[in-house]
Amino acid sequence: GDSVTQMEGPVTLSEEAFLTINCTYTATGYPSLFWYVQYPGEGLQLLLKATKADDKGSNKGFEATYRKETTSFHLEKGSVQVSDSAVYFCALSDAVAGNMLTFGGGTRLMVKP
Amino acid sequence: DGGITQSPKYLFRKEGQNVTLSCEQNLNHDAMYWYRQDPGQGLRLIYYSQIVNDFQKGDIAEGYSVSREKKESFPLTVTSAQKNPTAFYLCATRQGGSTGELFFGEGSRLTVL
Repeated sequence: GDSVTQMEGPVTLSEEAFLTINCTYTATGYPSLFWYVQYPGEGLQLLLKATKADDKGSNKGFEATYRKETTSFHLEKGSVQVSDSAVYFCALSDAVAGNMLTFGGGTRLMVKP
Repeated sequence: DGGITQSPKYLFRKEGQNVTLSCEQNLNHDAMYWYRQDPGQGLRLIYYSQIVNDFQKGDIAEGYSVSREKKESFPLTVTSAQKNPTAFYLCATRQGGSTGELFFGEGSRLTVL
C-alpha cells in the first residue's frame, strides 16, 4: 500500500538557518503530494501542494518539488523564523488507492532565537 | 465564516461514559473524516464518509461510532469500548478528487479521568 516516510524530529535550528525536512513516498499510482503544518493545540493547515511530477509548491517562503524519479517531496525554507516552530506533515493522495490521504509521522521543528 | 467547527475544544470523561464530539462544516464538501492524534504521533484514520447516509471504517474504528444524517454534520461517539480514548481528535473535510486537499477543524482534546 501507499506510505509516506519523513525524517524523525525534533529538528532544532537557529533563526535564519536553512531548513530541509525530507519526505519520501511509495504509491501505486501518480499521487498528489502535500505538506501540512500544525501549530501547538491546533488542527492542520495546508502549507503547499503539488499535483504532478516536477511541480513546485510554495507558500510563506516554504518550497517543495515533486520528484518522481526519487519519489521525494522535501520541504525547504531559506531562512526560518521562531514563528515557524510547529509540526510538519507530509502526505499523499492517490486515486488508485481511492483518493485517501496517507500521512507521514510528522516532524517537529523548533527554531531558537 | 466558512469553515469547520469542532466542539467541544476540551472534554473530560469518566471511564465507562460515552461522549460525542461534534463536527459541523459549511464548506459544502461531500467527504468528511475523523482522525485521532496521540502525543508526538501522526494521524490515524477512525472513520470517513464520502456521502450522506454512508460511512466506512478507517484503520482504528474499534470503540468508535459515527453517523452522517446531514451533509454538514459528522459526529463522532467515543464509546466505553474504546480502551484508551485520551487523545486529540481532528475532523476534516474534502471536496473530492485526487488533487483535493483536506481542510481541518481546530480539534477536540478528550481526557479520560
